[in-house]
Amino acid sequence: KAGVTQTPRYLIKTRGQQVTLSCSPISGHRSVSWYQQTPGQGLQFLFEYFSETQRNKGNFPGRFSGRQFSNSRSEMNVSTLELGDSALYLCASSIQGGESPLHFGNGTRLTVT
Amino acid sequence: QQQVKQSPQSLIVQKGGISIINCAYENTAFDYFPWYQQFPGKGPALLIAIRPDVSEKKEGRFTISFNKSAKQFSLHIMDSQPGDSATYFCAASKGGGGNKLTFGTGTQLKVEL
Repeated sequence: KAGVTQTPRYLIKTRGQQVTLSCSPISGHRSVSWYQQTPGQGLQFLFEYFSETQRNKGNFPGRFSGRQFSNSRSEMNVSTLELGDSALYLCASSIQGGESPLHFGNGTRLTVT
Repeated sequence: QQQVKQSPQSLIVQKGGISIINCAYENTAFDYFPWYQQFPGKGPALLIAIRPDVSEKKEGRFTISFNKSAKQFSLHIMDSQPGDSATYFCAASKGGGGNKLTFGTGTQLKVEL
């Protein structure tokens, strides 16, 4: 069974631009979550989608948004990029959320210059 | 506001020794406590998880000890091996659905020969 796939692996963007990251969950998984990982703040929850609906949201500004499609694939978008948005963005999927095991992808490394 | 405190930040253990990583939480609504292992360039992978109605859970060389009254839990890695060298994260979440995990800051473990 294929794992969680995130594309692209690396991105370099300029401050002020916007970016879209993509995530394909494990087949059969309906919950997709996004996390930001930085050396300073560690792993922080961005949001979770379940059956195309946002079910949970972390404490990030509105520049961070996401969506989930009917096939459970998900995208997250960051508009008006800031230098501080440079991070590893991790997508994770689970069968239904809650205590069902969370499976992470290997992330998209975003660098904002 | 850091709701899950993890220590130590880094740990060096000799091969065959016991690695111990500790976490403390503040939110008494948390009722699911997983541990994740992350290798460089990879996303976190679930190691073992525990609920507060159990004081200890063991899976192979990995054991979680849980102290509900102290709001603390720890990961013990028995017979530590060089292949265990990785970053370990504790996490916590509230029940009721969703995969909103609050992570500790991570412990970088190095197992020396």
